[in-house]
Amino acid sequence: GAGVSQSPSNKVTEKGKDVELRCDPISGHTALYWYRQSLGQGLEFLIYFQGNSAPDKSGLPSDRFSAERTGGSVSTLTIQRTQQEDSAVYLCASSQGHARETQYFGPGTRLLVL
Amino acid sequence: QKEVEQDPGPLSVPEGAIVSLNCTYSNSAFQYFMWYRQYSRKGPELLMYTYSSGNKEDGRFTAQVDKSSKYISLFIRDSQPSDSATYLCAVLPNAGGTSYGKLTFGQGTILTVHP
Repeated sequence: GAGVSQSPSNKVTEKGKDVELRCDPISGHTALYWYRQSLGQGLEFLIYFQGNSAPDKSGLPSDRFSAERTGGSVSTLTIQRTQQEDSAVYLCASSQGHARETQYFGPGTRLLVL
Repeated sequence: QKEVEQDPGPLSVPEGAIVSLNCTYSNSAFQYFMWYRQYSRKGPELLMYTYSSGNKEDGRFTAQVDKSSKYISLFIRDSQPSDSATYLCAVLPNAGGTSYGKLTFGQGTILTVHP
């Protein structure tokens, strides 16, 4: 079946612009996670959704970052007033819901802020 | 200090070699241990998932956990060029609280297996 998909694959933007990154999880997966992968920092947790609720937003680096999930499915990560340090690969993962369930990752969105 | 430490390498080995990849972690609350493989420009995919101390085998891959020393390892036997990828260890605390499902990753080790 279809895996986790993310769009766009690549995004180049200018400093100060807003960007939206989209994640389509595996159908039926109630848990959805956003991670960020950058050189030097590795892969870092950003936010976790269970259904449409976000019980853990502890990894969002600043209030310029926000995320939402609608219909228990698609999620959007929004970065306002992008900065060069936001350049990274943004990865989305989904799982069946229990904490110990395997997380399946999408291919990521490569964001470059000029 | 990072909660999970992993040598980023890079590691280069000849085909057929035994590869040893290692991570250490600092928090005894971590109870679940995973190894992910990530090919270039792809998302990570789960290779191994363990809970208890000891060894778990799956084909050419063996995951080893030593909770007493907070040390986790992945061994790859008879390594192949197709094993060339970045290998990430990840840990998960026991169930409960808002840290549910929140993976903490090591830096990743870049492995190249040359023919």
